[in-house]
Amino acid sequence: DSGVTQTPKHLITATGQRVTLRCSPRSGDLSVYWYQQSLDQGLQFLIQYYNGEERAKGNILERFSAQQFPDLHSELNLSSLELGDSALYFCASSVAPGPIEAFFGQGTRLTVV
Amino acid sequence: LAKTTQPISMDSYEGQEVNITCSHNNIATNDYITWYQQFPSQGPRFIIQGYKTKVTNEVASLFIPADRKSSTLSLPRVSLSDTAVYYCLVGDTHNNAGNMLTFGGGTRLMVKP
Repeated sequence: DSGVTQTPKHLITATGQRVTLRCSPRSGDLSVYWYQQSLDQGLQFLIQYYNGEERAKGNILERFSAQQFPDLHSELNLSSLELGDSALYFCASSVAPGPIEAFFGQGTRLTVV
Repeated sequence: LAKTTQPISMDSYEGQEVNITCSHNNIATNDYITWYQQFPSQGPRFIIQGYKTKVTNEVASLFIPADRKSSTLSLPRVSLSDTAVYYCLVGDTHNNAGNMLTFGGGTRLMVKP
């Protein structure tokens, strides 16, 4: 158990819909990262937050947005969903903003039908 | 960000030592080298991190030559359960501006009985 909690574990939704994925980082970790991993694909970095502020942005689509709340949990919002958005979405957390040891959650498997 | 290059896949047998090399020719002075392991449908797990020479923990060893343009992850006496994808990452652990924690394609290790 990494200490990072992601909910829900599985999500099935229709095209055009909007969903919210939630991540609770490890206790004490200020940095949260979001990744997308499609079937047999590598991990695509989406966005990073540190202590409530956006710190780095990757190939995140305009239909996607995220935020980190004062209690440090984070949410990833995916809207106008397309079939190609079906993937595993991982959240990771670390103490500092730099790439020291990061702890990953078990992921949310999103299926768009 | 320093780009990394790893072999796409490797095969080994149980009980053998496995060495996975990562090339990072553009590594910067403040960059550290970090390796992660990922099993199917699970989040990546931190294995080891180093800056130069050799680092060893209970799981693996990391060898970094003086020029730091490459690194080698060494897994002693692999077992079937070591079958996974191994990622090499390079980045500045003290980058207070945030860091993408960018994963490359990784090396798919298959351990055979």
